[in-house]
Amino acid sequence: KQEVTQIPAALSVPEGENLVLNCSFTDSAIYNLQWFRQDPGKGLTSLLLIQSSQREQTSGRLNASLDKSSGRSTLYIAASQPGDSATYLCAVRPSQAAGNKLTFGGGTRVLVKP
Amino acid sequence: NAGVTQTPKFRVLKTGQSMTLLCAQDMNHEYMYWYRQDPGMGLRLIHYSVGEGTTAKGEVPDGYNVSRLKKQNFLLGLESAAPSQTSVYFCASSHEPDRANVLTFGAGSRLTVL
Repeated sequence: KQEVTQIPAALSVPEGENLVLNCSFTDSAIYNLQWFRQDPGKGLTSLLLIQSSQREQTSGRLNASLDKSSGRSTLYIAASQPGDSATYLCAVRPSQAAGNKLTFGGGTRVLVKP
Repeated sequence: NAGVTQTPKFRVLKTGQSMTLLCAQDMNHEYMYWYRQDPGMGLRLIHYSVGEGTTAKGEVPDGYNVSRLKKQNFLLGLESAAPSQTSVYFCASSHEPDRANVLTFGAGSRLTVL
């Protein structure tokens, strides 16, 4: 059974510092991996999706890498801002047939201090 | 605004009571999902539906029932609530899953069972 882990559970950084968020998964046979942002009292918003054949994806200040063989993905947020404070979750789609039945990590709660 | 609407947003129940959570989407999505989120455990899939009149079990279906009588609505029922069902419940919807995993989430329903 696929298990997805995010360590640490919480992270606090001063504004301007780069953020590095980790996601590990136990079964390397994945279809794709997705990073989400969750704000308090709101639903999840997709940030980046990496297909299993890709090594990384970038969007603005966000960059996500994927190393399937080691079962790891990393989300980098450059030059963090207080508005980046949120919980970040990664989720694995185990196969094409699985559709949107994703396996989520527990999330990392990020606080960016002004 | 178009999207996924969940009602109620908050509810407190006593053990043994029943209730129904309503999810409504206006994007003509075929697929709908109910997840629960517990501290540090990410989201876990309870039930899902691939179209009007269909339902299927997810990872943690016990204690819940669902119905999809209309395409735009997906109901999650608790027949006899237990303290272990204290959680935040998220509904999501999508078109038929493609490579992009595009999911739209509701804002969540916080349920407390005393």
